[in-house]
Formats: sequence, structure tokens, C-alpha cells
Amino acid sequence: KAGVTQTPRYLIKTRGQQVTLSCSPISGHRSVSWYQQTPGQGLQFLFEYFSETQRNKGNFPGRFSGRQFSNSRSEMNVSTLELGDSALYLCASSLAGLISGYNEQFFGPGTRLTVL
Amino acid sequence: DQQVKQNSPSLSVQEGRISILNCDYTNSMFDYFLWYKKYPAEGPTFLISISSIKDKNEDGRFTVFLNKSAKHLSLHIVPSQPGDSAVYFCAASALGNEKLTFGTGTRLTIIP
Repeated sequence: KAGVTQTPRYLIKTRGQQVTLSCSPISGHRSVSWYQQTPGQGLQFLFEYFSETQRNKGNFPGRFSGRQFSNSRSEMNVSTLELGDSALYLCASSLAGLISGYNEQFFGPGTRLTVL
Repeated sequence: DQQVKQNSPSLSVQEGRISILNCDYTNSMFDYFLWYKKYPAEGPTFLISISSIKDKNEDGRFTVFLNKSAKHLSLHIVPSQPGDSAVYFCAASALGNEKLTFGTGTRLTIIP
């Protein structure tokens, strides 16, 4: 079974631009979460989508948004990029919502975003 | 406010010995805990999890212990192997909430 895939793997943008990152979950998983990893803040939760609806949201500004499509693929968008947005953006999928109880999240390799 | 803490940024262990990684949490709403292993420039890899109704869970060389009264969990790796060298993160969540709150990580180095 294929794992979580993320595209692109690396991205360089300049301040003020916007960026869209893509995530394809493990087949059968309908929950997709996004995380930001930086050296200073560690791994921070951005948001989670299930069945095309945002279920949970972290403490990030409105410049960070996402969506989920009917095939469970998800995109994350960051508008008006700032230098501090440089980070590894990770996507994770799980069976949450399909199987009751606790469900492990499986992570993709991440997209390394550099803002110049 | 760091709700999940890993107070040891690094740990070195001889190959074949036991590695013990520790994690503390403050939020009593957390009832599900996970350990992930991470290599540079890769996503975290799930290792093992435990729910608050248990105090121990084993999977091969990995055992996680949970002490709810102390709000403390630990990951034991026995025996430690060179391939175990990585950064280990503990994470916590509450039932019904997919948000994982991560600790800051512990870099484990296994010395051959």
C-alpha cells in the first residue's frame, strides 16, 4: 500500500508570494492533517480535514488555509509569504472517522519551503 | 505553553544496551500517546502508541510505559541498534481530536 505522498518536495518562493502544497493520503484514509516543523517551534498542528470539511484548526493566521477534495487529497495554501514561513510542511493521514477509537497518523515526507 | 515536554534534547547509548526516552505532559485531557521516529528531511515514522486505559504497550524491541498520575510516559528500546539513531518525538491527543501535540524531540545516538 502506498504511503502518504506530498508534492512538491522542495519549493523556493519570495516574500509576498503565495504557495500551494499538495498531499495524497494513504488509500482509504479520509482524515488529513497538516503540520509545520521549524527549528524554533518544533512540530505545530495547522489543521485537519475529514470528508472535505475542516474539523480542527491550530493557532495559525488566516494566511494559512486548506481544502480537501472528494478523493481525500488535500491542498494547503499560504498567501503573502513571510520569511518566517520557511519550514518543513508535513501532511499526515489516518483512519479517524472510519474506525472508532484511537487512530495513528501516518506522515508524508514533507515539503521543504524556503522563503527568500 | 509547552503541553508536551521532552526534557532531554539528546541521549547517547551503547549498542545492545537499553535506550530510555522520557516525555511529560501537562494537559489532563490527553488520553492517547504516540512515539514517532524522525530522520532529517523525512516525515516522522510512527513507532508505537498507548491509550490511557493501559499502562504498558509492547511491539518488538519497543515498549511504551504510561504513568497517568505522574503525567509521564517513556519509550524503552531493547536492545538498541545503530539504525535506531534518529530524533524521537512523543505526541499526545484527546479522543475524537486528530490534533497531535508534539514534544520538542530527543536526538538518540547509538554508539557502536
